[in-house]
Amino acid sequence: SQTIHQWPATLVQPVGSPLSLECTVEGTSNPNLYWYRQAAGRGLQLLFYSVGIGQISSEVPQNLSASRPQDRQFILSSKKLLLSDSGFYLCAWSVRGAGQPQHFGDGTRLSIL
Amino acid sequence: AQSVTQLGSHVSVSEGALVLLRCNYSSSVPPYLFWYVQYPNQGLQLLLKYTSAATLVKGINGFEAEFKKSETSFHLTKPSAHMSDAAEYFCAMGGSYIPTFGRGTSLIVHP
Repeated sequence: SQTIHQWPATLVQPVGSPLSLECTVEGTSNPNLYWYRQAAGRGLQLLFYSVGIGQISSEVPQNLSASRPQDRQFILSSKKLLLSDSGFYLCAWSVRGAGQPQHFGDGTRLSIL
Repeated sequence: AQSVTQLGSHVSVSEGALVLLRCNYSSSVPPYLFWYVQYPNQGLQLLLKYTSAATLVKGINGFEAEFKKSETSFHLTKPSAHMSDAAEYFCAMGGSYIPTFGRGTSLIVHP
């Protein structure tokens, strides 16, 4: 069966520090991969998605970046965090093809001080 | 353009009462539709999906949803609410790569 791992579960970082969140998927090949952010009490904001190794599409311009160095690994990064980067970050994967549901990780709660 | 609208950011019911969470969609092509549930500090979990095989879709935890093309709706129901159903519920429409999510409805269950 397929599983998705996302870590860390919680993270507290000072303003201006770097960030690296990692997500890996097991049990499937060539998945679509996604990074979302949820601000407190708000819906899902799609940040990045990837349909293959090295292929990243950005939905919202900001100080975050994403990389996909391996087929089932998706990394969210920042060189200098802002207070507005606080939130709940979710990684998700889906099988390629129209109408496939997404499968989400357990999320990372990021607090910027 | 595709869009998903969830009516009501909060829905409050008593334990044992009917749960009805509303979702309307806008799409120029036959849609793939999903309902997800999110418990506090967790990721989203798929409740059910509509892929045109049947208009009434049964999901996990006793939930079901009915696709009504004439009303462009995909409302989620459960006959009897349980305290454990308290969570955030998201309606979503599938696309080629990027799904469209509604803003979510928080279900509150009173004892």
